[in-house]
Amino acid sequence: NAGVMQNPRHLVRRRGQEARLRCSPMKGHSHVYWYRQLPEEGLKFMVYLQKENIIDESGMPKERFSAEFPKEGPSILRIQQVVRGDSAAYFCASSPPGAETQYFGPGTRLLVL
Amino acid sequence: KNQVEQSPQSLIILEGKNCTLQCNYTVSPFSNLRWYKQDTGRGPVSLTIMTFSENTKSNGRYTATLDADTKQSSLHITASQLSDSASYICVVSPPSLTTDSWGKLQFGAGTQVVVTP
Repeated sequence: NAGVMQNPRHLVRRRGQEARLRCSPMKGHSHVYWYRQLPEEGLKFMVYLQKENIIDESGMPKERFSAEFPKEGPSILRIQQVVRGDSAAYFCASSPPGAETQYFGPGTRLLVL
Repeated sequence: KNQVEQSPQSLIILEGKNCTLQCNYTVSPFSNLRWYKQDTGRGPVSLTIMTFSENTKSNGRYTATLDADTKQSSLHITASQLSDSASYICVVSPPSLTTDSWGKLQFGAGTQVVVTP
């Protein structure tokens, strides 16, 4: 059973461009979580999704950020019109229904020039 | 102010020696406290999870303790190995982690541990 997969592992964007980060949960996991980790800071929760539903997006900025977890395919975290402050590591985690333990992916490191 | 403070920020330890990491939190009430290990360039991996009623939990050479009265937790690494070099993160959960409370998870900034030969 492959672990949580994220791609790309590294992403470079210029200010104003769009960034798309993908996350494939572990097999059998229907819950996906996205976190952001700024340099020298702890992880910060962004959004919690189940298939085709956003359950909790209280940690996600209201503008420019969106997330989806379609019925088929990976979960996508989308950042529009990126700014330098968006540079961070973005981690995805997944869990099966009813479980609190989350399994993290390797992260996508976004650098905005 | 962060509700979960970890110390030290970083430490260097000789292979084979023991070390203890600290986590102080102000989250109250809370349901459980977790310790994660995060290798450089990797995602966090769960080491231990303790409810507020548990005092200690072990996972191999890792032993976590919890004092809910003083709101302190520690992670003790015994007979450190080079592979223990990583960041160790303390995470506190609010009571009844429900569908709309994930945003209340509180993460510490981590303690960076470097084990040298």
